[in-house]
Amino acid sequence: EDQVTQSPEALRLQEGESSSLNCSYTVSGLRGLFWYRQDPGKGPEFLFTLYSAGEEKEKERLKATLTKKESFLHITAPKPEDSATYLCAVNSGYSTLTFGKGTMLLVSP
Amino acid sequence: EPEVTQTPSHQVTQMGQEVILRCVPISNHLYFYWYRQILGQKVEFLVSFYNNEISEKSEIFDDQFSVERPDGSNFTLKIRSTKLEDSAMYFCATTTGGGVKEKLFFGSGTQLSVL
Repeated sequence: EDQVTQSPEALRLQEGESSSLNCSYTVSGLRGLFWYRQDPGKGPEFLFTLYSAGEEKEKERLKATLTKKESFLHITAPKPEDSATYLCAVNSGYSTLTFGKGTMLLVSP
Repeated sequence: EPEVTQTPSHQVTQMGQEVILRCVPISNHLYFYWYRQILGQKVEFLVSFYNNEISEKSEIFDDQFSVERPDGSNFTLKIRSTKLEDSAMYFCATTTGGGVKEKLFFGSGTQLSVL
């Protein structure tokens, strides 16, 4: 059974204070690792897909990296508008995603 | 940017009643999904739908659940006889092709409360 564990559960940062979120996964055969952002009362919003160890992707202040056992979402100089829950998910089957519980990020001005 | 639209945004129902949750996918998308999120829990896969039939379903998606695309545009999730434990946010998601290897576009969800 696929498993995704995210840490920390919650993270509070000051504006401009860089940090990283962790996603550890166990899958039978990784077909893709996904990062989504979820704002309160909204559906997840796609950020990145990573397919193989060593791959990196960037978008504005976010950078996602992947190893054989975990993925990191690095947030550089965050702003208050980056406050959200960040979800990690893996795909090992044909059409299903297995999500982690997420990391709730709060960035204070 | 195109959006997945879900209605209603909130649904309150009595235990044992039937509910239908509706989704309008993005127009050129071919793969459709339902996920749910119980308060404080993970987002969980329910069912995937392609070419007018179910592709995959989870253990949660038992005989009380059904999906259909009645008119070629809407995509619906029906719960035949709701239970208290069905209370959750239900998300519809769609994608263009290639299954979930492509990014999923999620709707804003329907908050279902079963009393």
